[in-house]
Order: sequence, then C-alpha cells, then structure tokens
Amino acid sequence: QSALTQPASVSGSPGQSITISCAGTSSDIGRYNYVSWYQQHSGRAPKVIIYDVYDRPSGVSDRFSGSKSGNTASLTISGLQTEDEADYYCGSYASSSTWLFGGGTKVTVL
Amino acid sequence: QVQLVQSGAEVKRPGASVKVSCKASGYRFSDYYIHWVRQAPGQGLECMGWINPKSGRTTYAQNFQDWVTMSGDTSISTAYLELNRLKFDDAAIYYCARVGPAGITLDSWGQGTRVTVSS
Repeated sequence: QSALTQPASVSGSPGQSITISCAGTSSDIGRYNYVSWYQQHSGRAPKVIIYDVYDRPSGVSDRFSGSKSGNTASLTISGLQTEDEADYYCGSYASSSTWLFGGGTKVTVL
Repeated sequence: QVQLVQSGAEVKRPGASVKVSCKASGYRFSDYYIHWVRQAPGQGLECMGWINPKSGRTTYAQNFQDWVTMSGDTSISTAYLELNRLKFDDAAIYYCARVGPAGITLDSWGQGTRVTVSS
C-alpha cells in the first residue's frame, strides 16, 4: 500500500487557522477511525497530538483538532503560534499487518 | 512516566549488521506493542513493523521483512531492532514507539538512534 498524501507545506500568520489534509483510500482512512497526527520539531522525536481521528492526548492544546470525511483526514491548528512551526505527519492503521504514514507537511508561521 | 530510551548512534560499513535497543520504563513492557519507524535524512516516517513483547510475535512491513529482525526481552523491558546487510540507503534515524492503551496510535517514542553507513 502507498503512503498517505499530504501537502508538502502550509503556512499562516500568528493567530490564523490552518488545515492540513491527509488523503488515503477506502482501505485505510476510509475504513478505520484510527487516524493519528504527529508533530515533529526539528531534531526531535515525533509526538502524538491527535489519535483516533478526533481525540487529543492529555496535555495537548485544544487549538489542535482532527476530523475525517470519506478517505481524507484533516488536522486544523487554530490560533497559530510560533511554537507550532514543525513537521506534521498523519498516520493510519490499514490492516493487521500495515500501518501507513503520510509524507509530512512543513508548517511555517509567517 | 512512560519512557523509551534507545541506544546511541552507530557507524557501520556496508554489509555489516547493527542492533539497536529500546529500553522501556514506567509501564509493564509486556502489555503493549512496540513499533519501529525509520526516518531517512530529510524524509518522512516509515513503519518498519512491530513486536508483541508478550508473545514475541513480529510483523514486518514488506520493505523490511528480508533484512530486519525485531526481538524483545521482557526480563529487562527491552526491545531490539537488528538491521542486516546494511546499504548506504539504510542510513537513517530509527525510532521505537509504543502503541499505548488510549487508542490505535504511537503514544510514546524513543529519542531515536542514528545509524550511519560509511565505507
């Protein structure tokens, strides 16, 4: 199975909202509500910020929200802050032998 | 708190093998799957596979099943990733990560182990 498809980059000004899309297929995102989003700051390990499409781990800002429509999942960052500048990866369970990641989206705060 | 601590950076020649460790603490190691994820320089994340520490059962992604071995030792709460017949293209950061209790997600990650392949 192919990787999930994300835009290479998204930018926004402080205070704005941005949305990152993650396109899959009916075999992964479309089939399961097991989409996660990971934030990775430069030189650091990834950190989960959204799991099971909508849920936020304890301690993650409520400015991050997730959604799904058909075969595409989305991550919205509201009230963009400079600390949100990072790479963001979507991930999805696809079968008992397959987990997929997106190619990553670089978020730039202008 | 949950912690995954990986072994240090490695430099290997092409054709060699390397074994990366991932020591878990803060939870019962045998209760949760450990995944391994590769990140090549400047690239995205790639799932290599996972191990069920309790049973030792492994599942490998198609791109890795012929040259990677995952194992675990519950007595010391440590998972291992062995990379065989290294090529220049295998230079990357290798992460271990746990599938936790909250959902189907990787909720805790190791700090990563950089493997360099150089002649």
